[in-house]
Amino acid sequence: ELKVEQNPLFLSMQEGKNYTIYCNYSTTSDRLYWYRQDPGKSLESLFVLLSNGAVKQEGRLMASLDTKARLSTLHITAAVHDLSATYFCAVDVGGSRLTFGEGTQLTVNP
Amino acid sequence: NAGVTQTPKFQVLKTGQSMTLQCAQDMNHNSMYWYRQDPGMGLRLIYYSASEGTTDKGEVPNGYNVSRLNKREFSLRLESAAPSQTSVYFCASWTDQETQYFGPGTRLLVL
Repeated sequence: ELKVEQNPLFLSMQEGKNYTIYCNYSTTSDRLYWYRQDPGKSLESLFVLLSNGAVKQEGRLMASLDTKARLSTLHITAAVHDLSATYFCAVDVGGSRLTFGEGTQLTVNP
Repeated sequence: NAGVTQTPKFQVLKTGQSMTLQCAQDMNHNSMYWYRQDPGMGLRLIYYSASEGTTDKGEVPNGYNVSRLNKREFSLRLESAAPSQTSVYFCASWTDQETQYFGPGTRLLVL
């Protein structure tokens, strides 16, 4: 059974600090996706990582994928309050399906 | 483009009632999905349709049925609602090499 594990599940950090969210998965896959969800809202796509070594950056967020280690990271640089949200990784398991992690609830405090 | 649309946005049902959740996409995607999201949990796949004319069970299909009406529309039916089906339901569509696009969600309460 495929497992997609994110850690931490809850993260409270101060504005201006850096931190990394980890996404580990238990099957072979070379495609991984990151999403953001604000409270009461739908999921918004952040990054699409389609190969080993892929790195994408948008503003204060940077995502990377290591398919050999079955690990993706979402790095937050100099956090700001607007980044407070829940972040999900999702792994392409083939057959046109994704399996989602439990989500990391991020709170950025002033 | 409207993207992925869902109706209704909110619904309250009594145990045993039936209802259909509607989903439509205007991006010409082949694949469409129904997920449920419960508090503190990620998304769990209920059913999906990899292409028009096909449907398959996901992780939690019990108590649900789906219909891929055409390439644009994918509906989810609860034949006899149960309190355990209280959740937020998201429809999504996908094409290869891109991200999945999600609808705004349907919040369902079963009493």
